Amino acid sequence: QSVLTQPPSASGTPGQGVTISCSGSSSNIGNDNVYWYRQIPGTAPKLLIYKNYQRPSGVPDRFSGSKSGTSASLAISGLRSEDEADYYCVGWDGSLGGYVFGTGTKVTVL
Amino acid sequence: EVGMVESGGGLVQPGGSLRLSCAASGFTLRSYWMHWVRQAPGKGLVWVARMNEDGSRTDHADSVRGRFTISRDIATSTLYLQMNSLRVEDTAVYYCVRDFVGGDDYWGQGTLVTVSS
Repeated sequence: QSVLTQPPSASGTPGQGVTISCSGSSSNIGNDNVYWYRQIPGTAPKLLIYKNYQRPSGVPDRFSGSKSGTSASLAISGLRSEDEADYYCVGWDGSLGGYVFGTGTKVTVL
Repeated sequence: EVGMVESGGGLVQPGGSLRLSCAASGFTLRSYWMHWVRQAPGKGLVWVARMNEDGSRTDHADSVRGRFTISRDIATSTLYLQMNSLRVEDTAVYYCVRDFVGGDDYWGQGTLVTVSS
């Protein structure tokens, strides 16, 4: 049972934008950084955003992260077919003493 | 070139043990936090354990604490996950991950562990 809640799905047409939310609590998002991973089915996940809004080298600026209080968001602009994937937020939970993943959001490009 | 190859997965009965290995190349384990993350078939990602750069600190998820142990051998550049008292719910693909949240992540291809009688 995940402690970070995401919507199960999100969708948009090519060129549109979508935003994925991640809701947590004071023991995780409210007190530490948030990270976002993308996983294309059948492949290993890849880090998209670290420390709330920073992008690793090679991640396009179409992906942006933000955090406010105990919630975080991942925004994808200019949707492309290759953005179809599962997206997960991650954070450190001080009460549990470990990282916790969100429930995951499947993004579909219509 | 960076590489990480997991091995050691397979079929095991409930209550049994397995040791997973992750052979790292192209970088030194002393320079990164190393993690294990798992994913049950058709399910989401679950963080399992981590070890810091100098090996002085380890953390394990609640669900595996006391049963699983992360360790490493610097001489062979290998990360391990010793899994004891395995349960059906431990069935998953186990990934070895470098720098999970540091911005320079690298994942192995994963190794499947199936716990079943």
